[in-house]
Amino acid sequence: NAGVTQTPKFQVLKTGQSMTLQCAQDMNHEYMSWYRQDPGMGLRLIHYSVGAGITDQGEVPNGYNVSRSTTEDFPLRLLSAAPSQTSVYFCASRDRGANYGYTFGSGTRLTVV
Amino acid sequence: DQQVKQNSPSLSVQEGRISILNCDYTNSMFDYFLWYKKYPAEGPTFLISISSIKDKNEDGRFTVFLNKSAKHLSLHIVPSQPGDSAVYFCAAKDNTGKLIFGQGTTLQVKP
Repeated sequence: NAGVTQTPKFQVLKTGQSMTLQCAQDMNHEYMSWYRQDPGMGLRLIHYSVGAGITDQGEVPNGYNVSRSTTEDFPLRLLSAAPSQTSVYFCASRDRGANYGYTFGSGTRLTVV
Repeated sequence: DQQVKQNSPSLSVQEGRISILNCDYTNSMFDYFLWYKKYPAEGPTFLISISSIKDKNEDGRFTVFLNKSAKHLSLHIVPSQPGDSAVYFCAAKDNTGKLIFGQGTTLQVKP
């Protein structure tokens, strides 16, 4: 049981490049979210999904796109990377359980130069 | 505008004593509150949660208290252990299902 798998673990991009951060979960969870963690800012919600085919914006969606074509996968696309997108990105999923606790991946550390 | 705030960036306590981590929120539509623990280079892990209709939830050494009128919640860890040293995040769920996090508090438990 792998849980939530994020790839890659580390990435360096040049300003203006695009890339996709991958996230997959094998727990059949309906809810998935992407967060970024920055010093002093905590975890900020980028985009989230309540099921396949349904996505919505979080607190800081600009510069990012998502899609949810399957229950298992929730990729995050950076359209044109900027230094302000240097951060640690976490993907998380949860089921409809009563405690609403998300299971997080181990993160992707992205540096944009 | 930060809807969930943890105003103490850090906290240091002695092993065996109580650790109290605080969190304030502004959105009265939040219906569930959670605490997460995070070690360096790992993802956050779920610790404990509480519904907005309750004022206390206990799980072993961890207790979460909710004061709705003050829009305040706290996490008590008793007794504190060195392995509890980590960053603790408070989070709140709104009625759309979004989970909003605070800035985090770094807890250090000294032996």
